[in-house]
Amino acid sequence: NAGVTQTPKFQVLKTGQSMTLQCAQDMNHNSMYWYRQDPGMGLRLIYYSASEGTTDKGEVPNGYNVSRLNKREFSLRLESAAPSQTSVYFCASSEWVLGTASYEQYFGPGTRLTVT
Amino acid sequence: AQKVTQAQTEISVVEKEDVTLDCVYETRDTTYYLFWYKQPPSGELVFLIRRNSFDEQNEISGRYSWNFQKSTSSFNFTITASQVVDSAVYFCALSDPLAVETSGSRLTFGEGTQLTVNP
Repeated sequence: NAGVTQTPKFQVLKTGQSMTLQCAQDMNHNSMYWYRQDPGMGLRLIYYSASEGTTDKGEVPNGYNVSRLNKREFSLRLESAAPSQTSVYFCASSEWVLGTASYEQYFGPGTRLTVT
Repeated sequence: AQKVTQAQTEISVVEKEDVTLDCVYETRDTTYYLFWYKQPPSGELVFLIRRNSFDEQNEISGRYSWNFQKSTSSFNFTITASQVVDSAVYFCALSDPLAVETSGSRLTFGEGTQLTVNP
């Protein structure tokens, strides 16, 4: 049981290049999320997918697109990378468990992206 | 809009000292959830605790305890007899309360508190 996995772990891009960050979870969770973490700013939500087939913008969606490929996978795409997108990206998933009020988010290990 | 404030950017203590990490939140909603996560130097995020807004009982788990006070909108975290392995960044987070059963749990994070425990 791997939980939430992310690929790649590290990536260096030049300004203007594109790339896709991959995320997969094996916990059968309905909801998935992408966050970015910048020094001194905590984590900020980029996009989320409440369930398969739906995606919505979070706090900082500009410059990103997402695809909920199926229930397991949720990818984040940078179409034209900019230095301001240098950050650590975390994917997460959660599930509402009836009767337990349990829906804490489980996070992947992160992708460290540098845009030069 | 929701907001989480962790006013302590960095805290440094000596092993075995007790330390409290402060978290103050803002929300207009009457039903919400609060969380604490730990981020050790390895970088992963580890869930520590969830607390809902209608349960103000304090919680203790080993050396960890949490004090939730709705009257002051605070959810503070205390580590008793700190250890070097407690060195990490700690995040407090507040959930988006809208239709959480169907819409997931969008989180608003504080900026984090870097805790360093020295031997």
